[in-house]
Amino acid sequence: SAVISQKPSRDICQRGTSLTIQCQVDSQVTMMFWYRQQPGQSLTLIATANQGSEATYESGFVIDKFPISRPNLTFSTLTVSNLSPEDSSIYLCSVEGHDRASFNEQFFGPGTRLTVL
Amino acid sequence: GDSVTQMEGPVTLSEEAFLTINCTYTATGYPSLFWYVQYPGEGLQLLLKATKADDKGSNKGFEATYRKETTSFHLEKGSVQVSDSAVYFCALSDSDYKLSFGAGTTVTVRA
Repeated sequence: SAVISQKPSRDICQRGTSLTIQCQVDSQVTMMFWYRQQPGQSLTLIATANQGSEATYESGFVIDKFPISRPNLTFSTLTVSNLSPEDSSIYLCSVEGHDRASFNEQFFGPGTRLTVL
Repeated sequence: GDSVTQMEGPVTLSEEAFLTINCTYTATGYPSLFWYVQYPGEGLQLLLKATKADDKGSNKGFEATYRKETTSFHLEKGSVQVSDSAVYFCALSDSDYKLSFGAGTTVTVRA
């Protein structure tokens, strides 16, 4: 399994500002994923981030609102731009398993709880 | 596209009761199926998985069997404990590693 950390763990932001969330993995991984979990709801995939290429966004999510960086194989950032109260959610990063035992699994970071006032 | 339909909660049980959470899926290929658990105040963790038809995943007394004929992956535990109180998510992953989650089921076990 992979050990994943996220910063910040939580934040309270004013509308119109932006928040950048960092995700650090203790091993090199090809794919990293960003999810959103709105209050009381399930997880929705925002985008897939591969090192050395542009992130691939899911329907309903756009790069201008959720720019993603993936500078190396252990790190990624997600920025939530032009914040509104509807962006209040938990944002999670995850990585795929990279050995036979963890084939097709994903390991999740602890999440970043964002509240927008 | 791929989707997961999960039994709605919340579910409240007494200790040592039997727990079942139903999960059915729709997928175009041959997905892997997962149950994830989110304990209060904690992150999402993989509980168990099954990667092909008739596989049974098991962990911590929980079991789920991949039923291709009924496109189901129901979670069961024979005797729950207070420490099993959590939100349980059924999920599937097709060949592209992306996870599609069910809505989640909140389970509360009372002593």
